[in-house]
Parts: sequence; structure tokens; C-alpha cells
Amino acid sequence: GAGVSQSPSNKVTEKGKDVELRCDPISGHTALYWYRQSLGQGLEFLIYFQGNSAPDKSGLPSDRFSAERTGGSVSTLTIQRTQQEDSAVYLCASSLAAGGSYTFGSGTRLTVV
Amino acid sequence: GDSVTQMEGPVTLSEEAFLTINCTYTATGYPSLFWYVQYPGEGLQLLLKATKADDKGSNKGFEATYRKETTSFHLEKGSVQVSDSAVYFCALSDRSGNQFYFGTGTSLTVIP
Repeated sequence: GAGVSQSPSNKVTEKGKDVELRCDPISGHTALYWYRQSLGQGLEFLIYFQGNSAPDKSGLPSDRFSAERTGGSVSTLTIQRTQQEDSAVYLCASSLAAGGSYTFGSGTRLTVV
Repeated sequence: GDSVTQMEGPVTLSEEAFLTINCTYTATGYPSLFWYVQYPGEGLQLLLKATKADDKGSNKGFEATYRKETTSFHLEKGSVQVSDSAVYFCALSDRSGNQFYFGTGTSLTVIP
């Protein structure tokens, strides 16, 4: 597609429920990143996919968080048993190659109530 | 490890004022440096970048020069407009590209 597409744009969920956030990167972009932006905070790295290599999961805050990328394209970030501190904007970005400029999606605003 | 430190905000300027947002970095090797902008209600957009020392990135009247001797990449604009109101993020990417390191963002509000 023309840009990085994320869905849903907004998600309100009850504490303890699981949520799935989707990212559709720019076609042909081999690198895909997930970041989290909490209110008043900077960007927190979560996970990085590069081609068929094993993902860099070093930023995932707990084992409730997981992500996969199917067919080297679409990625899903899953948060299990959501907590209120998970409330944030989750941003996905892709780049043509490692080290290149990112293109960000508009993000998914997650609110856990 | 690699990191980026940028000027804390918020910054409030009158229209046509001069803008500087400071950014310094710590990195091993030779990173690429970026400024991203996030307008209200939107995602982050690349504003400008520089990939080697002494490079100057520029876009929409904004400029930043990659200064290796001072490990800085300060963002400047000679005359800001109301439409420049946004949050600005300084970032670096190491050569491996495994991840970007972002500053905490600087909120800019330009008043008429």
C-alpha cells in the first residue's frame, strides 16, 4: 500500500482481556518495528522484524506481549490479560531495509478500563 | 548503549520567531540521525535526516547539521508558523538498523 496501515485506530478494552493490533507495512519493506508511546513519554521500542530473521524482542515489557509477522508482511501485536498501564498509542513503522528511514503508521490508541 | 537526549519542552514561540531544538546523541560507530515530527492526532513523519558527519538535512524550512565533534543534531527554523505546532523527535539509527533510538520529544506551540 501507499503507507503503513494500522488497525484499529482506537481500541477500548476491559482489564484482563486480550487484544490484537494489526500493522500492514508498505509493500516491499523488509523491516518492521513496533513502538509504544505512552502519554507524556517518548517512544519505547518493543520489537523488530527484519526479513526472515528471528525478531528482536528485546523491548517487549513482559511475556503478556507477543508479536508475529506472517509472510514477511502483515504483523500482529498481541497483548494478553491487558492491564491499565498498557494504555498507550502503539505505533508500527516499516523501512525498506535495516537502517533506512522509517515510515510510521498513524497508530492504535489502546485504552484499558 | 546508544541514546538520544533532546531539549525538554514544552516550547512556546510567537509566529515568525527563530526555533532551535537541541539534540545530542551517544553512539558507537557512525549513526544516521533523524528528526521526526508528529502533528496533533497524526502519526510520526520523517522531517529530515543526515547520514554522515557535516551533512545538513533540510525540509520545510527546517535544518539540522550532523556535528560529530559535538555529537549534536540541533533542529532550527528561521521563522516558525502556527502550522509548525507539533511534537518533534530526534532519533538515531545505528548501522545495523536493528532499532532506532528516539528522544523523548519536544512539544512546540506557535502562537499567532
